[in-house]
Amino acid sequence: GAVVSQHPSWVICKSGTSVKIECRSLDFQATTMFWYRQFPKQSLMLMATSNEGSKATYEQGVEKDKFLINHASLTLSTLTVTSAHPEDSSFYICSAYPGQGVRGAKNIQYFGAGTRLSVL
Amino acid sequence: RKEVEQDPGPFNVPEGATVAFNCTYSNSASQSFFWYRQDCRKEPKLLMSVYSSGNEDGRFTAQLNRASQYISLLIRDSKLSDSATYLCVVNITGANNLFFGTGTRLTVIP
Repeated sequence: GAVVSQHPSWVICKSGTSVKIECRSLDFQATTMFWYRQFPKQSLMLMATSNEGSKATYEQGVEKDKFLINHASLTLSTLTVTSAHPEDSSFYICSAYPGQGVRGAKNIQYFGAGTRLSVL
Repeated sequence: RKEVEQDPGPFNVPEGATVAFNCTYSNSASQSFFWYRQDCRKEPKLLMSVYSSGNEDGRFTAQLNRASQYISLLIRDSKLSDSATYLCVVNITGANNLFFGTGTRLTVIP
């Protein structure tokens, strides 16, 4: 199947610092990438939709100035958590969507392995 | 109202048992349906797509009832390795993003 690489897999940082998470589609071009957040024992919640070359679309309640998303190429999207605080500690997962008609069944997204963020 | 609703479980079943999970979705414009599996502290992985005619993949059978807006997953002959959280996932017409249920936790006991 398609491969999506997410880096880093785990980061521990001090409160107030910024953390950048990268999401790369390794063997396909992703017109759209998604960023999700998952708190313990809860489901994935979509934070934002990232389209190559345009501004990300944020879900209600997600601060766009705090969670900066850049999708500069068809294979790379980054999420920067600015001035992270302990309440931002969570599991962040990206997914990439290759577009309809690509790689079999439509609307399938391929997930990165996730980034566990712990803010002290 | 949530887009996708699932019984969170947990379901604790012995090895070899058959177990079924159910899921309902609220938007009649939903067009694509999936079951994902998520292991603890890992990313979700696609288990199977769900088609209107129902589909089977080995020990796993998925069913879709559009009239009732209901999706099911049946696991036969449960293995210890089936222990995971099973996520019901829906895509709505015109939207690229997926809507996830909260997941159903399954533990298969030796």
